[in-house]
Amino acid sequence: DAKTTQPPSMDCAEGRAANLPCNHSTISGNEYVYWYRQIHSQGPQYIIHGLKNNETNEMASLIITEDRKSSTLILPHATLRDTAVYYCIVRSRSYNTDKLIFGTGTRLQVFP
Amino acid sequence: GAGVSQSPSNKVTEKGKDVELRCDPISGHTALYWYRQSLGQGLEFLIYFQGNSAPDKSGLPSDRFSAERTGGSVSTLTIQRTQQEDSAVYLCASSFLGVLNTGELFFGEGSRLTVL
Repeated sequence: DAKTTQPPSMDCAEGRAANLPCNHSTISGNEYVYWYRQIHSQGPQYIIHGLKNNETNEMASLIITEDRKSSTLILPHATLRDTAVYYCIVRSRSYNTDKLIFGTGTRLQVFP
Repeated sequence: GAGVSQSPSNKVTEKGKDVELRCDPISGHTALYWYRQSLGQGLEFLIYFQGNSAPDKSGLPSDRFSAERTGGSVSTLTIQRTQQEDSAVYLCASSFLGVLNTGELFFGEGSRLTVL
């Protein structure tokens, strides 16, 4: 049962910022938000994760709303190689489980 | 190797046959996961290992599916009496998990299973 909802597809011009939204209104207090992407025929690639604070790394920024019910992944300067399916994921961990709960993802198309 | 290694990369089998899929995690990673991805779909959790034990196998779709992990390293996913609906890409991932560590999962390239 997916805990996240994302738009099925988005377009972005090369060099522009890509802002990918995600809703996770049923997220629990100790569950993290993770973002992965999958380029055709490859295994998913980690991008970033966070709990409640905004996070930034060399790939992207993650903005999480104060109520934690939604987040946005920002690719600051999209390139053609960023074309992929982006998954917003809730990570559920406890003493007897650890799993990423994937939704259906957003297919991002970066165009020249 | 440096990453998660899976074999075979492609497997075509006939309905009713048994198949084994292998996963070599990153050295030192204590946690290992199996996921399944059907055509055009997101990833579906199958099973989670911590060391050699599997505290969560809730995602295995039927008793035809089983998995084991030995020596805290290599894992094998076995599907008995394969059916056409088992056709999918089976992905393995590993992670180093400490008490406070939220280490990312590293995925392999997957094993594509086609059941004729």
